[in-house]
This record gives sequence, structure tokens and C-alpha cells, in this order.
Amino acid sequence: ETGVTQTPRHLVMGMTNKKSLKCEQHLGHNAMYWYKQSAKKPLELMFVYSLEERVENNSVPSRFSPECPNSSHLFLHLHTLQPEDSALYLCASSQLVGGLSYGYTFGSGTRLTVV
Amino acid sequence: DAKTTQPNSMESNEEEPVHLPCNHSTISGTDYIHWYRQLPSQGPEYVIHGLTSNVNNRMASLAIAEDRKSSTLILHRATLRDAAVYYCILSGGNKLVFGAGTILRVKS
Repeated sequence: ETGVTQTPRHLVMGMTNKKSLKCEQHLGHNAMYWYKQSAKKPLELMFVYSLEERVENNSVPSRFSPECPNSSHLFLHLHTLQPEDSALYLCASSQLVGGLSYGYTFGSGTRLTVV
Repeated sequence: DAKTTQPNSMESNEEEPVHLPCNHSTISGTDYIHWYRQLPSQGPEYVIHGLTSNVNNRMASLAIAEDRKSSTLILHRATLRDAAVYYCILSGGNKLVFGAGTILRVKS
């Protein structure tokens, strides 16, 4: 496996469900990101992890809970979502050197539908 | 984060060069200029990046104005597979913040 892998590719969940999105990078990068892309809107940065530590949380509702257990894996735990949370969720990784990130690589995303 | 301005959409003929402009008049001295593109139903992919000098790679060329307040992504021969949303992003730190980008349509 190479690059950034996201699973599942598609997910349909009810508003009372709990589910998790998984991201795995095989590039040896030390920073990982979650983005949300709603229909007809630009990508929105949700969370930034650097060296497994969360360094940015862009006012994301608490029903989205990220987890980074090691530098290769990133999860997004979802609970009691709303229909407006339906979107493409993209994971990315990069190599952070001296405060500057290089080589951003994105996964293909998880298409989430909340019913 | 410094802001960029791109045209909403552009159209090109297949096999012809395409020049995608980007204005970034508030760029700071440490900001790199990044270009990414997003094909339908995929995540963004890296195209090219630069700081001050023009850059070339197998995908494209990046021409940066001398005052760094604008740049142009050049696709030398557009193909149908180049139809995508192209994003011009300034970043001098640990994140990429995306704008709306330019939708490039390629006609056969």
C-alpha cells in the first residue's frame, strides 16, 4: 500500500449512530489532517495533528472527535450527527520540518451521508 | 492566512497550453505558493509549488511575478484528464487552507 488510504469509501449513518472514519498513511509523514468538503463549497480544514499532537481545531462541533494513536493512523469518531454533516471527508498527511509542511498527500475521501 | 484570488472557471481546447492566474497581493515573505488540483470524486493532488523563482516539473510550470503578488500555473498541453478544480494556496506553516479554486474545462 502506498500513499494515504481512507476507509470506508462510503458511509450512510443515522443521526443516533456512532461510527468512525479511518485514515492510514504509508509515507512516513509526521503530520495529518482532516478536511470536510460539502457540496459546492471549498475544503474546510477541521483538525491538524503534528507529531501525534492536535495543534489545531477549527471550531469543529464536539460530535466530531479526532484521534491520532500514532503517526501513521488518524481516526474521526462520529456521533449524533446532523443531516448537514453529510459531506466528503478527506484525510491528508505531510512532512513537517522546521515549522513548514511539505508534500501534502490526500486520500480519496469518505463520502458520508447522514439520514 | 493570506488570501488568493482566482477566476471561477476557465475553458481550454485539448492539446493547447493553459495559463491559470492567481493573485495574492498580501503574500508574506515566508509564504510558499502551492498549486493543487482536484479531479471529480477524488482528493486534491499536488501539482507544483514555489517561493520566488519559476519552477518546472513533469506536470506543469509555475511562473511567479517578480514582486510575488501574482503567479500563473501553466499546463503546456491540456488533455481531457486535466479537467479539474485548480487551487492556488499560500502557506508558510503547517497547513493548507483552500479557496474556491478555478474550474478548468477542456474541450476536445
